[in-house]
Amino acid sequence: KNEVEQSPQNLTAQEGEFITINCSYSVGISALHWLQQHPGGGIVSLFMLSSGKKKHGRLIATINIQEKHSSLHITASHPRDSAVYICAVGQGGSEKLVFGKGTKLTVNP
Amino acid sequence: EAQVTQNPRYLITVTGKKLTVTCSQNMNHEYMSWYRQDPGLGLRQIYYSMNVEVTDKGDVPEGYKVSRKEKRNFPLILESPSPNQTSLYFCASSLWGGSYEQYFGPGTRLTVT
Repeated sequence: KNEVEQSPQNLTAQEGEFITINCSYSVGISALHWLQQHPGGGIVSLFMLSSGKKKHGRLIATINIQEKHSSLHITASHPRDSAVYICAVGQGGSEKLVFGKGTKLTVNP
Repeated sequence: EAQVTQNPRYLITVTGKKLTVTCSQNMNHEYMSWYRQDPGLGLRQIYYSMNVEVTDKGDVPEGYKVSRKEKRNFPLILESPSPNQTSLYFCASSLWGGSYEQYFGPGTRLTVT
């Protein structure tokens, strides 16, 4: 079993829909990261969480430490949101990062 | 502009020919790391460094070497590349470790024939 599991693997939505991507982890963590990778490969950091909730524009990230679960929400989705979204955890006690396999999101106009 | 740079961006080489992929950051970050990304496997950490002269193995270090002689540079060395090292490689840095925002380089696509 992978230490970081994401669901779904693939997601297709219509423009305007509310989107949720889930991340579950099985290790103790120091922080959880949500990353975005557009076609063409570049990776950017969207959020870093150790508790609670963060919001940036149409994106919202939440984390439940007790349940070892995080969600990334996109409100009013747009075709430019089409990308791979990657969850990564910083392992408590070390500085290693462990990644989920990513969720490929396609938003159709 | 704050950035992580990698060179080369694309590289095709042959089995056994030593190569180095450079990584440099201009943010005075303590932490630097190398990852490889493969279809179906996602990103996996190769090596990371918490400070000058301090490096640690990630999950897939076999076949790779790194060095951290200066804070800004963290080169990845493949002494004898093999076809199973064909991959997309990313360098990243952060202020101090996995609990801080990660800044990624643009990636290096390596093909070993």
